[in-house]
Amino acid sequence: AQSVTQPDIHITVSEGASLELRCNYSYGATPYLFWYVQSPGQGLQLLLKYFSGDTLVQGIKGFEAEFKRSQSSFNLRKPSVHWSDAAEYFCAVGLSAAGNKLTFGGGTRVLVKP
Amino acid sequence: EAQVTQNPRYLITVTGKKLTVTCSQNMNHEYMSWYRQDPGLGLRQIYYSMNVEVTDKGDVPEGYKVSRKEKRNFPLILESPSPNQTSLYFCASSLSSFYEQYFGPGTRLTVT
Repeated sequence: AQSVTQPDIHITVSEGASLELRCNYSYGATPYLFWYVQSPGQGLQLLLKYFSGDTLVQGIKGFEAEFKRSQSSFNLRKPSVHWSDAAEYFCAVGLSAAGNKLTFGGGTRVLVKP
Repeated sequence: EAQVTQNPRYLITVTGKKLTVTCSQNMNHEYMSWYRQDPGLGLRQIYYSMNVEVTDKGDVPEGYKVSRKEKRNFPLILESPSPNQTSLYFCASSLSSFYEQYFGPGTRLTVT
C-alpha cells in the first residue's frame, strides 16, 4: 500500500535560521507531490506542488521543495524562517494509477524561537 | 468569495445518533473530498467524488457514507457514530483530483 512518511514530528528552529522538512513516499511510479501548511485553528493551504519537469519547485511564502526520484523524497526548505512560519506542515502524495486518492503524511509541527 | 463551507463547525453527539455534516463549494469544482485529522496520523481520506453521482472510497471509509447529488454539495453521513469517530473533519474541493485542493474550516466532532 502507498505510504507517506514525515520522519520529524516536531522541529524547533530559531527565527532567521534555515528550515528543512523531510518527506519520503513508497510508490513504484512518480506520483504527484504536494506540501500543505496548516496554521493553528485553520484549514490547509497549498504551499507548492510537483507534477513533472524541473525537480526544484518554488512555492508561496518563500518555500521550495526538491524532488529526488532516487531517494523517493520531496523535502521542503526555506532559507530563513519567520515567526509566522510556525505551523504544521503536511506532505501529500497522489497516484492516478492508484485511483484518485490523496495520501497525507503524519505532519511536522514547526516551532519558531525568537 | 471563493470558499468551501462546512456545517456545523462543532458537534457533540452520542453513540448511535445519526448525523450529517454538510459541505458546499462555490467554485464549480468537480472533485470533492472528505478527510479526518487525528494527532500523529495527519489527514486520512474518507471518501472522494470525481463528479456528480461519482464517489469512491478513500483510505478510511468504514462507518461513513457520502452522496453527490449536486456539484456544489458533498455531505458526510455517519449513520451510527461511535467514539472512535471523534475527530476533526475537513472537506476539500478542487478542479480535478490532483489540482490544488481548497479546504473548508473543519468540523470538530465529539462522540460520547
